[in-house]
Amino acid sequence: GAVVSQHPSRVICKSGTSVKIECRSLDFQATTMFWYRQFPKQSLMLMATSNEGSKATYEQGVEKDKFLINHASLTLSTLTVTSAHPEDSSFYICSARQPGQSYPYSGNTIYFGEGSWLTVV
Amino acid sequence: KQEVTQIPAALSVPEGENLVLNCSFTDSAIYNLQWFRQDPGKGLTSLLLIQSSQREQTSGRLNASLDKSSGRSTLYIAASQPGDSATYLCASFYSSASKIIFGSGTRLSIRP
Repeated sequence: GAVVSQHPSRVICKSGTSVKIECRSLDFQATTMFWYRQFPKQSLMLMATSNEGSKATYEQGVEKDKFLINHASLTLSTLTVTSAHPEDSSFYICSARQPGQSYPYSGNTIYFGEGSWLTVV
Repeated sequence: KQEVTQIPAALSVPEGENLVLNCSFTDSAIYNLQWFRQDPGKGLTSLLLIQSSQREQTSGRLNASLDKSSGRSTLYIAASQPGDSATYLCASFYSSASKIIFGSGTRLSIRP
């Protein structure tokens, strides 16, 4: 089946620095990728929708200047947390869908990455 | 406001029991509903997807039902095993807003 790879799986960074998380679709081209954040014991929250070749669409309350999303190719989307603070520590996970399928889906499953644990110290 | 609620938040049962996890959603205009499994520190694994026109889906020991009129979905796990221990999330998909709304999950523990 389709595979989505996320890297790194765990990262620790110092407060004030930036950290980049990559999301790759390994065996299909993804025109759209989604980025989520999950705080402990809370549900996954959609942060933004990443579209290849265009600007990402951010959900209300998500700072676009802080969470930079780049979808430069059909197989790669990146999320950069800029000027990270301890409150940004969270589980970040991406998902991808194959082109040609209507949103949300016409009967196929979503492909999620393994997720990235970010700890800002 | 579109919300998804899962009850109970945590559940512990002995191995071999059949169990039901509940998911309720406030907006019945869903496109489809999906159940996921999440192991600690891991990403999501898709279990079952139910289209809005369907009433249930089955995969192995898992059976998911959907009742749009009451805004409810259930995940039935038969003959539970310790390997079933994980957090189970349901998510509703709304094509109008192009959004996926997740529940907070049910943490399931199967005792050997």
